[in-house]
Order: sequence, then C-alpha cells, then structure tokens
Amino acid sequence: GDSVTQMEGPVTLSEEAFLTINCTYTATGYPSLFWYVQYPGEGLQLLLKATKADDKGSNKGFEATYRKETTSFHLEKGSVQVSDSAVYFCAHNNNAGNMLTFGGGTRLMVKP
Amino acid sequence: DTGVSQDPRHKITKRGQNVTFRCDPISEHNRLYWYRQTLGQGPEFLTYFQNEAQLEKSRLLSDRFSAERPKGSFSTLEIQRTEQGDSAMYLCASSISGTSSEQYFGPGTRLTVT
Repeated sequence: GDSVTQMEGPVTLSEEAFLTINCTYTATGYPSLFWYVQYPGEGLQLLLKATKADDKGSNKGFEATYRKETTSFHLEKGSVQVSDSAVYFCAHNNNAGNMLTFGGGTRLMVKP
Repeated sequence: DTGVSQDPRHKITKRGQNVTFRCDPISEHNRLYWYRQTLGQGPEFLTYFQNEAQLEKSRLLSDRFSAERPKGSFSTLEIQRTEQGDSAMYLCASSISGTSSEQYFGPGTRLTVT
C-alpha cells in the first residue's frame, strides 16, 4: 500500500549548518508530494510541494526535488536558523488528490 | 485571513462519554478532510467530504465515529462511547478540488480520554 518513510529524528544542527531530511515514498500512479512543518504549539503548515517528476518545490530557503526514479523527495536547506526548529512531515496524495499519506515526522532542533 | 478553525481546542472526557468536534473550513474550499494524529506520529486520514457528500472513509473510522457536513460548509466529527485509545489530536483540513491541490490544516482538537 501507499506509504512514506522519513529519516528518524531528532536531527540536531548548529545554526547555519546544511540540512537534509530524507523522504521516500511508495505510491501508485503519479502523486503530488508535499512537505509540511509543525512549529511548537502550532498546526501543520504547508512548506512546499511538487506535482510532477523533476519539479522542485521551494519556500523560505527550503527545497525538495521530485525524484521519480528513486521515489524520493528529500528536504534541504543551505543554512538553518534557530527559528527552523520544528517537526517536518513528508506526504503524498493519492491519484484522486483526496487523501494525504504522511511520514512519521522528523524533529529538527537548531542550536545557536 | 480566516484559515481553518476548529473547536474546541482541547477536550477532556471520561471513557464512555460522547464527544463532538467542529471544523470550519476556508470559505471557498469545497473539500474537507479529517485526520487523526497520535503523539510522535504523522497524521492518518479518517474521512473526506466534497461539498456535503462524504466520499471516502478510512478503515480507521470505526462504527463509533461519525462525521457530517450538512450544508457543505462546517463539519462535525462525533465519537460515541469514547475509549482511551481515542486520545489523539484530531485535525481538520480543507482544499479546493483538484488532484494536486494542497490541503490547509486547522490547529486541531486534542482529545484526552480518562
């Protein structure tokens, strides 16, 4: 069945370090791929998305590229800030676009 | 800016009681979704509506759960005879129609069953 696998956290980095959070998925057809972020005490917010192979989603310095050949959508940021500390969720939708399947989340902690 | 709102934000109830949660989606969104998130896990899909029609339900949605969206605007999720295993964050999201449309989430209702 459909699934999303993310690297387990927590990921602890120093400010200005490079970030990669790995995400791979299993899905039928051609899903859209998403990264959501959940800051402490807040709800899920869409961070970025990509809708077809080789698309790159980007927002707030974060990027992820839809790699169909490796069924991956890794999240990257060149220089993290303390304010990026949050839980990050990778997700994909089904063919009808009416259901999201999420990974387990990766907690990022950035230290000054 | 009126995003997705949920009420209440927190609910503590005793086992066996019924609870009802409300979700108000973004006004122009015709799709509405319910998810459940337990601690340390990602959200899991429960059900979704297109306008007032409930079009899909997860096997996670047992007979004790019922959801409605009577006028195609707000939705309610009721849990009857609550069990301790129902303790979780219940998330509502909304979107426009479309295979790649993004879902916007509310702040959630945290349910604790004692």
